[in-house]
Amino acid sequence: NAGVTQTPKFRVLKTGQSMTLLCAQDMNHEYMYWYRQDPGMGLRLIHYSVGEGTTAKGEVPDGYNVSRLKKQNFLLGLESAAPSQTSVYFCASSTLDRLFLNTEAFFGQGTRLTVV
Amino acid sequence: AQSVTQPDIHITVSEGASLELRCNYSYGATPYLFWYVQSPGQGLQLLLKYFSGDTLVQGIKGFEAEFKRSQSSFNLRKPSVHWSDAAEYFCAVGAYSGAGSYQLTFGKGTKLSVIP
Repeated sequence: NAGVTQTPKFRVLKTGQSMTLLCAQDMNHEYMYWYRQDPGMGLRLIHYSVGEGTTAKGEVPDGYNVSRLKKQNFLLGLESAAPSQTSVYFCASSTLDRLFLNTEAFFGQGTRLTVV
Repeated sequence: AQSVTQPDIHITVSEGASLELRCNYSYGATPYLFWYVQSPGQGLQLLLKYFSGDTLVQGIKGFEAEFKRSQSSFNLRKPSVHWSDAAEYFCAVGAYSGAGSYQLTFGKGTKLSVIP
């Protein structure tokens, strides 16, 4: 019963380096999200996906790219990391039933990223 | 677009005292409302949710919340706080856009400290 799994859990990057964060869910959910959490800012939506092959921008998309090639995976990429991207990143997924009644989101444990 | 306001950044209560965490939302129609809890270093766990029907909803760990449409509020309550309730609490609103996508927007969070 894995739910939502994020890898890696911790990472330190140098400014300008690139990396990809992986989110995998085993609940067959349609929707997947990437958030970043910063002190005093709550969770802010970076990008989201409403299904395989589709992505959309959230509140703070600059400096990030995403891909959803498989329904169960949602990748978040940083092409050229900056210190401002130091944050804790959370992935989440939610389902969409025909009555739109079961749309709670399930979260991963987070990835703590430090850019030096 | 929807928004969520949690007016209290930090609340301190004594163990055994009652608790109320405030949440106000902005959305044109009836939204989906959630309360999540985050313990230090952990992901987010769903406490309760409101989609429709009875405006008083019960959640896990003895929490409840009341939806008040006239006040655009969804306040979280607990009659008697335990030391283990110390955590950060996030109110969230989910809503569908005209394009059919679903977004979950979070408040900035309220940190709860419990005095033994």
